Amino acid sequence: AQSVTQLDSQVPVFEEAPVELRCNYSSSVSVYLFWYVQYPNQGLQLLLKYLSGSTLVKGINGFEAEFNKSQTSFHLRKPSVHISDTAEYFCAVSDRQGGSEKLVFGKGTKLTVNP
Amino acid sequence: DVKVTQSSRYLVKRTGEKVFLECVQDMDHENMFWYRQDPGLGLRLIYFSYDVKMKEKGDIPEGYSVSREKKERFSLILESASTNQTSMYLCASSLGGNTNYGYTFGSGTRLTVV
Repeated sequence: AQSVTQLDSQVPVFEEAPVELRCNYSSSVSVYLFWYVQYPNQGLQLLLKYLSGSTLVKGINGFEAEFNKSQTSFHLRKPSVHISDTAEYFCAVSDRQGGSEKLVFGKGTKLTVNP
Repeated sequence: DVKVTQSSRYLVKRTGEKVFLECVQDMDHENMFWYRQDPGLGLRLIYFSYDVKMKEKGDIPEGYSVSREKKERFSLILESASTNQTSMYLCASSLGGNTNYGYTFGSGTRLTVV
């Protein structure tokens, strides 16, 4: 079964600084990869996804992620963050078991953007 | 705009009460999921359903049951609520077959058991 490791539980940054949120998954078999964002007291919202093709994926709000098969990583980046990017970010990978397919989520990274 | 709607944003219940959390989606999705979210533990899957009247246990089903009588509605039931079930509960849905469209989540229900 797949597992997802988000290497940092909390990431504090200053406004307008670049940020990278790290995500590694366990298996190099063909996978779909996702990043979700959760603002306080809300559900999760899809930021971007990798299904196939170009390894650099662009999402909403200026975020992008790079799929690296050899390193089994899917790190999320933004070149210049805003206060409004303060949220929790979840990485997820598809996992097929017993004929069904589900998403497996990491434990999340809390991004705090300070003025 | 397509939606997953959870009936309550905040809920306070007493220990021992039977609690129903309702989730409705308007996207004709086959798959529906219930997660609980706790600080430091991320999202943990409680139950999921791939079709009407079908259900499968997730990673932490103990103390919970589910009901799916109609395609659009997936209910989570706490038979006898306990304080350790105080948590944020998230419902999600997805198209059948595979996960390439990802999940659509509801806004969550924050349940407090006193």
